[in-house]
Amino acid sequence: SQTIHQWPATLVQPVGSPLSLECTVEGTSNPNLYWYRQAAGRGLQLLFYSVGIGQISSEVPQNLSASRPQDRQFILSSKKLLLSDSGFYLCAWAKMNTEAFFGQGTRLTVV
Amino acid sequence: AQSVAQPEDQVNVAEGNPLTVKCTYSVSGNPYLFWYVQYPNRGLQFLLKYITGDNLVKGSYGFEAEFNKSQTSFHLKKPSALVSDSALYFCAVSYNFNKFYFGSGTKLNVKP
Repeated sequence: SQTIHQWPATLVQPVGSPLSLECTVEGTSNPNLYWYRQAAGRGLQLLFYSVGIGQISSEVPQNLSASRPQDRQFILSSKKLLLSDSGFYLCAWAKMNTEAFFGQGTRLTVV
Repeated sequence: AQSVAQPEDQVNVAEGNPLTVKCTYSVSGNPYLFWYVQYPNRGLQFLLKYITGDNLVKGSYGFEAEFNKSQTSFHLKKPSALVSDSALYFCAVSYNFNKFYFGSGTKLNVKP
């Protein structure tokens, strides 16, 4: 069966520090991969999605970037965090004709 | 543009009563529609989806939803609510399975 791992679960980082969140999927190949951000426990904002290795589409301009160095690995990064980057970050995967499957999320607090 | 709206921030219902969480969509072409549930500090769990076929879709934990093309709606329903159903519910839409767009969420409170 397929599983998705996302870590860390919680993270507290100072303003101006770098960020790296990692997500890996097991049990499937060539999935579409997604990074979402959820602010204040409500709506999800699609940040990035990827349909293959090295293929990244950005939905909104921001202080973040994403990379897909391997088929089932998706990384969310920032060179310098802002206070406004705080939120709950969710990784997800999907394939054609399937729903999206979500990881357990990372709670990022920028202080 | 693809979008989905959840007009209610919060829905309150007594345990044992039927519940409805509303969702409307705005998308060109034929939409694929989904419902998810989220418990505090957790990822989203899939409940059900409409792809094609029967407009009434049954999903996990006794939930169901009805696709209504003329009203562009996909409301989530359950005949008898449980206290444990209290959570945040999200409707989502996709056109091509490359992107999934989520509503703002509806907090369901089921009171004993």
